[in-house]
Amino acid sequence: SQTIHQWPATLVQPVGSPLSLECTVEGTSNPNLYWYRQAAGRGLQLLFYSVGIGQISSEVPQNLSASRPQDRQFILSSKKLLLSDSGFYLCAWKKRREGELFFGSGTQLSVL
Amino acid sequence: DQQVKQNSPSLSVQEGRISILNCDYTNSMFDYFLWYKKYPAEGPTFLISISSIKDKNEDGRFTVFLNKSAKHLSLHIVPSQPGDSAVYFCADSNTGKLIFGQGTTLQVKP
Repeated sequence: SQTIHQWPATLVQPVGSPLSLECTVEGTSNPNLYWYRQAAGRGLQLLFYSVGIGQISSEVPQNLSASRPQDRQFILSSKKLLLSDSGFYLCAWKKRREGELFFGSGTQLSVL
Repeated sequence: DQQVKQNSPSLSVQEGRISILNCDYTNSMFDYFLWYKKYPAEGPTFLISISSIKDKNEDGRFTVFLNKSAKHLSLHIVPSQPGDSAVYFCADSNTGKLIFGQGTTLQVKP
């Protein structure tokens, strides 16, 4: 069966510090991978998605970047965090031709 | 441009009654719609979906209705249970990515 791992579960970082959130998927190959963010009291905003190694599509201009160094690994990064980067970050995957998206357990990021 | 809107931020119903959650979309292309349920500090979990070639899909207590002319879909939960209390998101799947609405917080009172 397929599983998705996302860590850490919580993170408190000072403004201006770097960020690296990692997500890995097991039990499948060639998945589409996604990063979403839920800001406090708001919906799920798509940040990045990837259909293959090294292929990243950015949905919104921001202080963040994403990379996919391996087929089942997706990384969300920032060189310098802003207060507005605080939120609940979710990694997700899905099969290419299926509609259902499977989410990880999320990372609560607080930038202070 | 793909947009999904859930205009009701919250809904409160009595246990055993029907919960109706609504969602509007703007895309005119072939779409596939999904509903997700989310508890605090957890990832969303898939509930039910519907293809735009259908107007209804049912799974146990959950039924999703699609009105293509109005570009509107709704999720019905009957009967509602306290464990259904959560945030519900509708999503529009098109061109490989899912666009979510803002979510509706459902509270089911015992």
